[in-house]
Amino acid sequence: QSVLTQPPSASGTPGQRVTISCSGTSSNIESNTVSWYQHLPGTAPRLLIYSHNQRPSGVPDRFSGSKSGTSASLAISGLQSEDEADYYCAAWDDSLNGQIFGGGTKLTVL
Amino acid sequence: EVQLVESGGGLVQPGGSLRLSCAASGFTLSNFGMNWVRQAPGKGLEWVSFISISGHTIYYADSVKGRFTISRDNAKNSLYLQVSSLRAEDTAVYYCARDGDKYYPKYFDYWGQGILVTVSS
Repeated sequence: QSVLTQPPSASGTPGQRVTISCSGTSSNIESNTVSWYQHLPGTAPRLLIYSHNQRPSGVPDRFSGSKSGTSASLAISGLQSEDEADYYCAAWDDSLNGQIFGGGTKLTVL
Repeated sequence: EVQLVESGGGLVQPGGSLRLSCAASGFTLSNFGMNWVRQAPGKGLEWVSFISISGHTIYYADSVKGRFTISRDNAKNSLYLQVSSLRAEDTAVYYCARDGDKYYPKYFDYWGQGILVTVSS
């Protein structure tokens, strides 16, 4: 069981807005930065969001991140078929002294 | 263009060892911390280890501490992971990932394609 809790699945139709949550504790999300990754099986994971809400160059502004207390969220607006992938949150954990990932959320575009 | 290419994976017996390598290009390796991250079959991503730009700061996941050793050779633009005392649960695709920070693990901004390590008799 992951220290960061994500819903195992999420879904939406093209054009919709979906949100994926990531729940942690005071030793990880509340006190450290959160990042989000998109992963298609067989490919290299891709950084979507870092430092809670910053987007690397090349990531569409349809992707946004937020953090409040011990939780973080990834929002995807204007959902597209190519967004169908696994999404992971990550943060440093002060108690474990290591980086931790959420269990991942499989996004299906209906 | 930033590129990370892993090599050195394969089939190894329980208790065996391997040395994974990651060749970096398109950026100056000595300016970035580096990580190894793995994904077991059917499972999620798991961070394995981090090394700072000079190698002075190193972190390991509890699951690999004492068995895996991370190192780097900035002159050769290469990152390494010596994996020893391998167990079946170490079977995974191992990714090399650049960190967004020089000194402490922050986030993974570029990833390699991964290399498969299979531990089985």
